[in-house]
Amino acid sequence: GAVVSQHPSWVICKSGTSVKIECRSLDFQATTMFWYRQFPKQSLMLMATSNEGSKATYEQGVEKDKFLINHASLTLSTLTVTSAHPEDSSFYICSARVISGDNEQFFGPGTRLTVL
Amino acid sequence: AQRVTQPEKLLSVFKGAPVELKCNYSYSGSPELFWYVQYSRQRLQLLLRHISRESIKGFTADLNKGETSFHLKKPFAQEEDSAMYYCALRRGGGATNKLIFGTGTLLAVQP
Repeated sequence: GAVVSQHPSWVICKSGTSVKIECRSLDFQATTMFWYRQFPKQSLMLMATSNEGSKATYEQGVEKDKFLINHASLTLSTLTVTSAHPEDSSFYICSARVISGDNEQFFGPGTRLTVL
Repeated sequence: AQRVTQPEKLLSVFKGAPVELKCNYSYSGSPELFWYVQYSRQRLQLLLRHISRESIKGFTADLNKGETSFHLKKPFAQEEDSAMYYCALRRGGGATNKLIFGTGTLLAVQP
């Protein structure tokens, strides 16, 4: 089946620094990738929809200047958390949609971000 | 606006008992409905979708447009079914349409 990878799987950073998270579709092409945020014991909240070669579409309440998304190729999207603060600590999950008739969506394993 | 409601945060049953995880949605159009499962320390994965009308791992779900529900059912729960289950909705058609998730139900199957 289709596999989505994320790197790193976990990261600890100091407040004020920036962190980049990569999301790759390993064996398929994805014109659309999605970034979610999940707080402990809570649901996935969609942050933004990323389309290859164009600007990401952010959900209401998500700061686009804080959460920079780049989707440079059909297999790679990156999320950069700029000037991270402790409240940005969370589990970030990416998802990629297969270019096919059923548009199935596959999820990465997530990245645990802890901001000190 | 689209919304998915899963009223139960936790559902605890004994092994062999029937299971029903509730999901209700609100959407004026024709939605695509999904159930995703997240086992402990694993990624989210698709369990089933309403258009497939299939049974996966003994689970079934029927879309009831009149009641706007998509409840997940299994006649005999197994311990390995213990996981977090999310109901999700997507507007019909279009690769960029986003998935909207419910808050999830933790299923705990006791031995």
